[in-house]
Amino acid sequence: KAGVTQTPRYLIKTRGQQVTLSCSPISGHRSVSWYQQTPGQGLQFLFEYFSETQRNKGNFPGRFSGRQFSNSRSEMNVSTLELGDSALYLCASSQSDHSYEQYFGPGTRLTVT
Amino acid sequence: SQQGEEDPQALSIQEGENATMNCSYKTSINNLQWYRQNSGRGLVHLILIRSNEREKHSGRLRVTLDTSKKSSSLLITASRAADTASYFCATNQAGTALIFGKGTTLSVSS
Repeated sequence: KAGVTQTPRYLIKTRGQQVTLSCSPISGHRSVSWYQQTPGQGLQFLFEYFSETQRNKGNFPGRFSGRQFSNSRSEMNVSTLELGDSALYLCASSQSDHSYEQYFGPGTRLTVT
Repeated sequence: SQQGEEDPQALSIQEGENATMNCSYKTSINNLQWYRQNSGRGLVHLILIRSNEREKHSGRLRVTLDTSKKSSSLLITASRAADTASYFCATNQAGTALIFGKGTTLSVSS
């Protein structure tokens, strides 16, 4: 089985712009979660989607949003980028929910200048 | 907010030695998972231990869970240079998302 893929792998944006990141889960996995990783805050949960519905949401402002398509692929969007949004964004998929192991993609490194 | 907190934050050992990392958490859990991350890449799942289990093994890995003390430990035996990575514990409560600690950075020198 192919692993979790994320595109793009690297991205440089300017403050105020918006960005869309994409994640393709492992075939058959219906749960997709997004995490933000920074040196200061560590790994922080953004949101989780299951069967096109947001099932859990972390403590992030409304500038962070996501969606999931019928084929389980997911996108996350960050609007009005701030310097503090520079981070590694990780996507993970699992069979059902977070009581199962999560399979992570390689991440998208976002730099906001 | 962090649920799990790893200790120590950093650990340096020689090849062949054992490495022990600890994780403490605050509230009751459904399960606890350990992950490894190599140098800013994606995380790799190592082992999952459920709240009704006390110990699990996987190859050179041994995980223990003490729910009365709200703590877990990860033991890597006979460490290799390739074990150099950051190790994270993550806790799950029923119906909620996985919450990660800040990790232990392990350095294994040859």
